[in-house]
Amino acid sequence: GNSVTQMEGPVTLSEEAFLTINCTYTATGYPSLFWYVQYPGEGLQLLLKATKADDKGSNKGFEATYRKETTSFHLEKGSVQVSDSAVYFCALSDWSGNTGKLIFGQGTTLQVKP
Amino acid sequence: NAGVTQTPKFRVLKTGQSMTLLCAQDMNHEYMYWYRQDPGMGLRLIHYSVGEGTTAKGEVPDGYNVSRLKKQNFLLGLESAAPSQTSVYFCASSYIAGSPSSGANVLTFGAGSRLTVL
Repeated sequence: GNSVTQMEGPVTLSEEAFLTINCTYTATGYPSLFWYVQYPGEGLQLLLKATKADDKGSNKGFEATYRKETTSFHLEKGSVQVSDSAVYFCALSDWSGNTGKLIFGQGTTLQVKP
Repeated sequence: NAGVTQTPKFRVLKTGQSMTLLCAQDMNHEYMYWYRQDPGMGLRLIHYSVGEGTTAKGEVPDGYNVSRLKKQNFLLGLESAAPSQTSVYFCASSYIAGSPSSGANVLTFGAGSRLTVL
């Protein structure tokens, strides 16, 4: 079945460091891919998405490119801030049975220190 | 701009008790979902609904029931709570971004309901 695998955390960085969180997926067909972010005590918020191969999603300085050949959707940011501390989830859309449900990775906790 | 509202936010139950979590959305979304979040396991789908009056099982449905009598509400019930159901529960609703063939389905999440079963 479809699945998403993320790098294990926690990831601890200093402010202004470069961030990469790896995400790979297994899926039949061509799913859409997403990154969601969860700030402490809150629900998940959509960070960015990509719907087809080679698409680049971007938002708030974060970027991720849909790589079909490597089945990956790695999240990057050039200069992280303390306010980026959160849990990041990679996900894909699963349209089997017309559900439109998302399948999530296990989440990666990012801690940014001043 | 309420979005997706979950009640209650916190609840402590004893084993064997029953309860209902309520999810309400004001965005006229067709699709609604209940997920549970456990440490190191991401979010797992419990049940979902693709429209009023329809529900279906997700990845981990055992021990839960749901109802979608009104389009805006999606209820999650625990008939006999067990300690293994201690978790944070998230409701989400969605529309389809773009054409159905694009497969993009953007979910809007509630703030979560933390349930502890003793």
